[in-house]
Amino acid sequence: EAQVTQNPRYLITVTGKKLTVTCSQNMNHEYMSWYRQDPGLGLRQIYYSMNVEVTDKGDVPEGYKVSRKEKRNFPLILESPSPNQTSLYFCASSFGQGVRSPLHFGNGTRLTVT
Amino acid sequence: AQKITQTQPGMFVQEKEAVTLDCTYDTSDQSYGLFWYKQPSSGEMIFLIYQGSYDEQNATEGRYSLNFQKARKSANLVISASQLGDSAMYFCAMIPPGGGYNKLIFGAGTRLAVHP
Repeated sequence: EAQVTQNPRYLITVTGKKLTVTCSQNMNHEYMSWYRQDPGLGLRQIYYSMNVEVTDKGDVPEGYKVSRKEKRNFPLILESPSPNQTSLYFCASSFGQGVRSPLHFGNGTRLTVT
Repeated sequence: AQKITQTQPGMFVQEKEAVTLDCTYDTSDQSYGLFWYKQPSSGEMIFLIYQGSYDEQNATEGRYSLNFQKARKSANLVISASQLGDSAMYFCAMIPPGGGYNKLIFGAGTRLAVHP
């Protein structure tokens, strides 16, 4: 089954404790990205990747890191999480990057930073 | 800058009736794509329907159709014969040609409740 898999689904952590949210897709998509969803703000892009070893910042990259060492994986790293990073996170992938390429989303990771 | 506006924070509809969820967008680009996504209470984002700015016909996918009025810059989602399982949050989104890779611009969403 074609899918984007994120783990974990739920995560509660404390301020400053490094964490990684994993994302993997099995569709051989070149393009992957991370979004965060906050009430009233919709989804905002954190980082995106066009291919292996090629990444760039989205709209809200502060406090996040990513890496793309393999085509299928695109982990999101929070080196020192803070409470304002409490949010619902989505990984997404698409075959192309043009206007006709719908994003396929993972099931989301609900992160709480205390 | 591109922007998506969904003016209905919440909508109610009776089961089996049709409902229209509004979406307006602001862009100076001529080429762009418009998407609708559904987010049930379980949290996942489900792609519903796509409309390209140069598509001459309104997009349809099963019970979903998109009422695309380019001059008005609106892309309303119409759900026919609502079902209880349609209760969810619905997001309108746009990808502009120069918006960056994978970069969807989302509206704030409309929460739809379908009543039996």
